[in-house]
Amino acid sequence: AQTVTQSQPEMSVQEAETVTLSCTYDTSESDYYLFWYKQPPSRQMILVIRQEAYKQQNATENRFSVNFQKAAKSFSLKISDSQLGDAAMYFCALRGQGGSEKLVFGKGTKLTVNP
Amino acid sequence: GAVVSQHPSWVICKSGTSVKIECRSLDFQATTMFWYRQFPKQSLMLMATSNEGSKATYEQGVEKDKFLINHASLTLSTLTVTSAHPEDSSFYICSATWGVSETQYFGPGTRLLVL
Repeated sequence: AQTVTQSQPEMSVQEAETVTLSCTYDTSESDYYLFWYKQPPSRQMILVIRQEAYKQQNATENRFSVNFQKAAKSFSLKISDSQLGDAAMYFCALRGQGGSEKLVFGKGTKLTVNP
Repeated sequence: GAVVSQHPSWVICKSGTSVKIECRSLDFQATTMFWYRQFPKQSLMLMATSNEGSKATYEQGVEKDKFLINHASLTLSTLTVTSAHPEDSSFYICSATWGVSETQYFGPGTRLLVL
């Protein structure tokens, strides 16, 4: 079975500072995908970043980047230059191969951005 | 691109009535749609996976006769909560994907309150 663990229920960061959210996972598959989704107070799930397991290069999207450590099964999200709009629940998710493969979510980390 | 809509966004109904929630992919053909339920301050719980033209696959513990899912076209899936009761009150979210795309795109969610 696939599992995703987010060990930080809550995190806070000062505006313009950098914060890292942790995620570890477990899977027996060699090929899979990892995602970070953001859920602001509106509760709309927004894709932040995704990583293909076969790619060694860490994914980046503007201020968001990941540290993907395949051997350690770790997938942390770094948010640089934090903005007030980054305040949200962040969910780490894992998906195996195949068109109908379901997402396995972590329990989420609530990020607060202080002005 | 990859926009998913849900309707209605809010619904209040009386106990014993049935409620239908629609999930539409607006700019792509969704071969697979997923339905989730989310309780306050918790992660998403997958209820079922539906592929266009075939019966939905329900997760363990989800009542098939209670939560009817239909995926009749490549752009529309519906979730009907039959004989709703107060314990069915929740936030329901759909997501959609296509072909072998690894990413699920989420709708904005539907808040259901059963009185």
